[in-house]
Amino acid sequence: IAGITQAPTSQILAAGRRMTLRCTQDMRHNAMYWYRQDLGLGLRLIHYSNTAGTTGKGEVPDGYSVSRANTDDFPLTLASAVPSQTSVYFCASSDRQAGTDTQYFGPGTRLTVL
Amino acid sequence: TQLLEQSPQFLSIQEGENLTVYCNSSSVFSSLQWYRQEPGEGPVLLVTVVTGGEVKKLKRLTFQFGDARKDSSLHITAAQPGDTGLYLCAGAFPFMDSNYQLIWGAGTKLIIKP
Repeated sequence: IAGITQAPTSQILAAGRRMTLRCTQDMRHNAMYWYRQDLGLGLRLIHYSNTAGTTGKGEVPDGYSVSRANTDDFPLTLASAVPSQTSVYFCASSDRQAGTDTQYFGPGTRLTVL
Repeated sequence: TQLLEQSPQFLSIQEGENLTVYCNSSSVFSSLQWYRQEPGEGPVLLVTVVTGGEVKKLKRLTFQFGDARKDSSLHITAAQPGDTGLYLCAGAFPFMDSNYQLIWGAGTKLIIKP
Protein backbone atom coordinates (compact mmCIF):
# COMPACT_ATOMS: atom_id res chain seq x y z
CA ILE A 1 0.00 0.00 0.00
CA ALA A 2 1.53 3.32 -1.08
CA GLY A 3 -0.55 5.61 1.14
CA ILE A 4 -0.31 9.07 -0.38
CA THR A 5 1.73 9.90 -3.44
CA GLN A 6 2.56 13.38 -4.66
CA ALA A 7 3.99 14.55 -7.97
CA PRO A 8 6.26 16.12 -8.90
CA THR A 9 8.82 15.74 -6.12
CA SER A 10 10.20 19.17 -6.93
CA GLN A 11 9.68 21.84 -9.55
CA ILE A 12 11.18 25.15 -10.57
CA LEU A 13 8.58 27.37 -12.20
CA ALA A 14 8.66 30.76 -13.88
CA ALA A 15 6.36 33.38 -12.40
CA GLY A 16 3.06 33.62 -14.25
CA ARG A 17 3.01 29.98 -15.28
CA ARG A 18 0.19 27.60 -14.39
CA MET A 19 1.07 24.54 -12.34
CA THR A 20 -0.87 21.56 -10.99
CA LEU A 21 0.44 19.53 -8.08
CA ARG A 22 -0.93 16.02 -8.04
CA CYS A 23 -2.00 14.01 -5.00
CA THR A 24 -3.40 10.49 -4.92
CA GLN A 25 -4.32 8.30 -1.94
CA ASP A 26 -5.16 4.60 -1.88
CA MET A 27 -6.59 4.43 1.65
CA ARG A 28 -10.15 5.38 0.63
CA HIS A 29 -10.10 8.24 3.12
CA ASN A 30 -12.99 10.65 2.78
CA ALA A 31 -11.11 13.82 3.74
CA MET A 32 -8.10 15.32 1.98
CA TYR A 33 -6.04 18.45 2.59
CA TRP A 34 -3.39 20.65 1.02
CA TYR A 35 -0.88 22.44 3.23
CA ARG A 36 2.11 24.62 2.61
CA GLN A 37 5.07 24.52 4.97
CA ASP A 38 7.33 27.54 5.30
CA LEU A 39 10.25 27.98 7.69
CA GLY A 40 9.10 29.41 11.01
CA LEU A 41 5.41 29.32 10.05
CA GLY A 42 4.58 25.65 10.36
CA LEU A 43 1.91 24.00 8.25
CA ARG A 44 -0.85 26.23 6.88
CA LEU A 45 -4.00 24.81 5.37
CA ILE A 46 -4.69 25.93 1.79
CA HIS A 47 -7.81 23.95 0.85
CA TYR A 48 -9.57 20.87 2.10
CA SER A 49 -12.21 18.40 0.98
CA ASN A 50 -14.43 16.50 3.40
CA THR A 51 -15.70 14.13 0.72
CA ALA A 52 -15.60 13.65 -3.04
CA GLY A 53 -17.41 16.46 -4.83
CA THR A 54 -16.92 19.05 -2.06
CA THR A 55 -14.09 21.46 -1.29
CA GLY A 56 -13.47 24.26 1.17
CA LYS A 57 -11.05 27.12 1.78
CA GLY A 58 -8.42 26.92 4.47
CA GLU A 59 -6.26 29.59 6.05
CA VAL A 60 -4.34 30.67 2.90
CA PRO A 61 -6.46 29.86 -0.19
CA ASP A 62 -5.68 32.88 -2.41
CA GLY A 63 -3.95 31.97 -5.66
CA TYR A 64 -4.81 28.29 -5.35
CA SER A 65 -7.70 26.11 -6.50
CA VAL A 66 -8.58 22.45 -5.95
CA SER A 67 -11.01 19.88 -7.24
CA ARG A 68 -12.19 16.54 -5.87
CA ALA A 69 -13.76 14.58 -8.71
CA ASN A 70 -13.28 11.24 -6.93
CA THR A 71 -12.19 9.84 -3.58
CA ASP A 72 -8.57 9.19 -4.50
CA ASP A 73 -7.36 12.35 -6.27
CA PHE A 74 -7.04 15.91 -4.99
CA PRO A 75 -5.02 18.13 -7.35
CA LEU A 76 -3.89 21.62 -6.37
CA THR A 77 -3.59 24.24 -9.11
CA LEU A 78 -1.68 27.50 -9.10
CA ALA A 79 -3.32 29.50 -11.89
CA SER A 80 -0.53 32.07 -12.23
CA ALA A 81 2.40 31.35 -9.95
CA VAL A 82 4.08 34.10 -7.94
CA PRO A 83 7.40 33.98 -6.01
CA SER A 84 5.56 34.07 -2.64
CA GLN A 85 4.17 30.64 -3.52
CA THR A 86 7.66 29.17 -3.22
CA SER A 87 7.21 26.56 -0.51
CA VAL A 88 6.97 22.87 0.28
CA TYR A 89 3.48 21.57 -0.37
CA PHE A 90 2.04 18.61 1.50
CA CYS A 91 -1.08 16.67 0.68
CA ALA A 92 -2.74 14.74 3.49
CA SER A 93 -5.78 12.56 4.01
CA SER A 94 -7.81 11.34 6.95
CA ASP A 95 -10.70 9.06 7.77
CA ARG A 96 -12.68 11.71 9.61
CA GLN A 97 -13.89 11.37 13.14
CA ALA A 98 -14.58 14.69 14.81
CA GLY A 99 -11.69 15.93 16.88
CA THR A 100 -9.32 12.98 16.92
CA ASP A 101 -8.53 11.60 13.50
CA THR A 102 -5.03 11.05 12.18
CA GLN A 103 -3.80 12.87 9.10
CA TYR A 104 -1.55 10.90 6.77
CA PHE A 105 0.87 12.95 4.73
CA GLY A 106 2.52 12.52 1.38
CA PRO A 107 6.26 13.14 0.90
CA GLY A 108 5.74 16.71 -0.29
CA THR A 109 6.44 18.77 -3.40
CA ARG A 110 9.16 21.38 -3.21
CA LEU A 111 8.13 24.29 -5.47
CA THR A 112 10.32 27.22 -6.40
CA VAL A 113 8.78 30.13 -8.30
CA LEU A 114 11.29 32.47 -9.91
CA THR B 1 -7.39 33.63 15.20
CA GLN B 2 -6.22 30.51 16.97
CA LEU B 3 -2.51 30.36 17.59
CA LEU B 4 -0.37 27.50 18.75
CA GLU B 5 3.09 28.40 19.98
CA GLN B 6 5.85 25.86 20.32
CA SER B 7 9.00 26.26 22.34
CA PRO B 8 11.86 26.03 22.00
CA GLN B 9 12.10 26.50 18.25
CA PHE B 10 15.44 24.70 18.17
CA LEU B 11 17.15 22.35 20.61
CA SER B 12 20.50 20.59 20.28
CA ILE B 13 21.53 18.27 23.11
CA GLN B 14 23.80 15.32 23.80
CA GLU B 15 22.65 11.72 23.67
CA GLY B 16 21.33 10.57 27.04
CA GLU B 17 19.98 13.93 28.18
CA ASN B 18 16.33 14.65 28.92
CA LEU B 19 14.29 17.37 27.24
CA THR B 20 10.83 18.90 27.19
CA VAL B 21 9.07 20.61 24.30
CA TYR B 22 6.06 22.84 24.93
CA CYS B 23 2.97 23.68 22.91
CA ASN B 24 0.83 26.57 24.23
CA SER B 25 -2.31 28.39 23.19
CA SER B 26 -4.94 30.73 24.58
CA SER B 27 -7.60 28.59 22.88
CA VAL B 28 -9.23 25.42 24.10
CA PHE B 29 -8.78 22.45 21.79
CA SER B 30 -10.96 19.38 21.51
CA SER B 31 -7.81 17.30 21.08
CA LEU B 32 -4.12 17.78 20.43
CA GLN B 33 -1.82 15.75 18.25
CA TRP B 34 1.96 15.45 18.16
CA TYR B 35 3.72 14.62 14.90
CA ARG B 36 7.34 14.00 14.00
CA GLN B 37 8.76 15.01 10.63
CA GLU B 38 12.06 13.92 9.16
CA PRO B 39 13.85 15.81 6.35
CA GLY B 40 12.24 15.26 2.94
CA GLU B 41 9.19 13.54 4.39
CA GLY B 42 5.74 14.44 5.61
CA PRO B 43 4.78 14.53 9.31
CA VAL B 44 3.88 11.24 10.99
CA LEU B 45 1.50 11.06 13.96
CA LEU B 46 3.04 10.11 17.31
CA VAL B 47 0.06 10.50 19.64
CA THR B 48 -3.33 12.15 20.14
CA VAL B 49 -4.42 13.44 23.56
CA VAL B 50 -8.07 14.19 24.15
CA THR B 51 -8.85 14.55 27.85
CA GLY B 52 -7.60 17.42 30.03
CA GLY B 53 -4.76 16.16 32.22
CA GLU B 54 -4.23 13.10 30.06
CA VAL B 55 -0.75 11.56 30.01
CA LYS B 56 0.35 9.12 27.31
CA LYS B 57 3.66 7.30 27.07
CA LEU B 58 5.34 6.02 23.94
CA LYS B 59 8.55 4.27 25.02
CA ARG B 60 10.83 7.13 26.15
CA LEU B 61 8.36 9.83 25.08
CA THR B 62 5.77 11.19 27.52
CA PHE B 63 2.95 13.41 26.28
CA GLN B 64 0.72 15.48 28.56
CA PHE B 65 -2.41 17.50 27.78
CA GLY B 66 -3.02 20.43 30.11
CA ASP B 67 -6.00 20.34 32.46
CA ALA B 68 -7.65 23.22 30.58
CA ARG B 69 -6.84 21.65 27.18
CA LYS B 70 -4.92 24.77 26.11
CA ASP B 71 -1.39 23.39 26.28
CA SER B 72 0.64 20.24 25.93
CA SER B 73 4.16 19.01 26.52
CA LEU B 74 6.40 16.33 25.11
CA HIS B 75 9.14 14.97 27.37
CA ILE B 76 11.88 12.72 26.04
CA THR B 77 13.93 10.71 28.50
CA ALA B 78 17.50 9.68 27.64
CA ALA B 79 17.34 11.10 24.12
CA GLN B 80 18.84 9.05 21.31
CA PRO B 81 20.18 10.22 17.91
CA GLY B 82 17.17 8.52 16.35
CA ASP B 83 14.93 11.07 18.09
CA THR B 84 16.34 13.79 15.84
CA GLY B 85 13.63 15.50 13.81
CA LEU B 86 11.05 18.26 13.67
CA TYR B 87 8.33 17.85 16.30
CA LEU B 88 4.99 19.47 15.49
CA CYS B 89 1.93 19.90 17.65
CA ALA B 90 -1.51 20.38 16.13
CA GLY B 91 -4.67 21.38 17.98
CA ALA B 92 -8.15 20.50 16.75
CA PHE B 93 -11.02 22.96 17.07
CA PRO B 94 -14.46 23.33 15.43
CA PHE B 95 -14.33 25.07 12.04
CA MET B 96 -17.32 25.91 9.82
CA ASP B 97 -18.54 22.93 7.83
CA SER B 98 -15.51 20.73 8.28
CA ASN B 99 -16.35 19.52 11.78
CA TYR B 100 -12.96 20.60 12.97
CA GLN B 101 -9.67 21.98 11.71
CA LEU B 102 -6.11 21.41 12.83
CA ILE B 103 -4.04 24.43 13.81
CA TRP B 104 -0.33 23.70 13.65
CA GLY B 105 2.55 24.95 15.72
CA ALA B 106 5.70 26.06 13.88
CA GLY B 107 7.63 23.09 15.24
CA THR B 108 10.64 22.32 17.39
CA LYS B 109 13.73 21.20 15.53
CA LEU B 110 15.49 18.67 17.73
CA ILE B 111 19.06 17.45 17.18
CA ILE B 112 20.50 14.71 19.38
CA LYS B 113 24.27 14.51 19.12
CA PRO B 114 26.00 11.14 19.66
